[in-house]
Amino acid sequence: DAKTTQPNSMESNEEEPVHLPCNHSTISGTDYIHWYRQLPSQGPEYVIHGLTSNVNNRMASLAIAEDRKSSTLILHRATLRDAAVYYCIPSGTGNQFYFGTGTSLTVIP
Amino acid sequence: DVKVTQSSRYLVKRTGEKVFLECVQDMDHENMFWYRQDPGLGLRLIYFSYDVKMKEKGDIPEGYSVSREKKERFSLILESASTNQTSMYLCASSLSLRGYTFGSGTRLTVV
Repeated sequence: DAKTTQPNSMESNEEEPVHLPCNHSTISGTDYIHWYRQLPSQGPEYVIHGLTSNVNNRMASLAIAEDRKSSTLILHRATLRDAAVYYCIPSGTGNQFYFGTGTSLTVIP
Repeated sequence: DVKVTQSSRYLVKRTGEKVFLECVQDMDHENMFWYRQDPGLGLRLIYFSYDVKMKEKGDIPEGYSVSREKKERFSLILESASTNQTSMYLCASSLSLRGYTFGSGTRLTVV
């Protein structure tokens, strides 16, 4: 399974955009890139996923580098409710995820 | 919405006890998973199951076993609890990689 590197922590001001980076240089050509987040005292929840093209949904956007060795999760206007740990997970064979330690996002009012 | 229900939110057990953590999902998902989460170590996969009576080891299966007798239920068993198994345990189910749904977790303390 592909290894990922994410910053341990990031800070953002409320209502400003946030760009959360992830390096996955060993990703294979068929691996999707998934992002989950974990709010305090809850289990992780799905945010977004993609393969090659940039993706948008109501929660966030996902920008995938052309060589697929990195991706960026974009929260367009951070709110206090977005304070969470964000996990970037390339999928491998099978249906199981291997989470890393993620990025802890602090949103400053 | 899919619900994944873990039987206990908090649990305190003694060293050497046999401990059962129960997880039930209500959406007919094929895949179920058990993770543990510790500060600084993130979520680590213990065991997972693709079907009834089927199980696969994750990264850290030592000291644990699992049981999946019915599709909706996946049990994690600590045969002889030890203090280093004090942790937050999270159960999840999915139809696919996008569709992971987690329970709220069981915080287990072994004394």
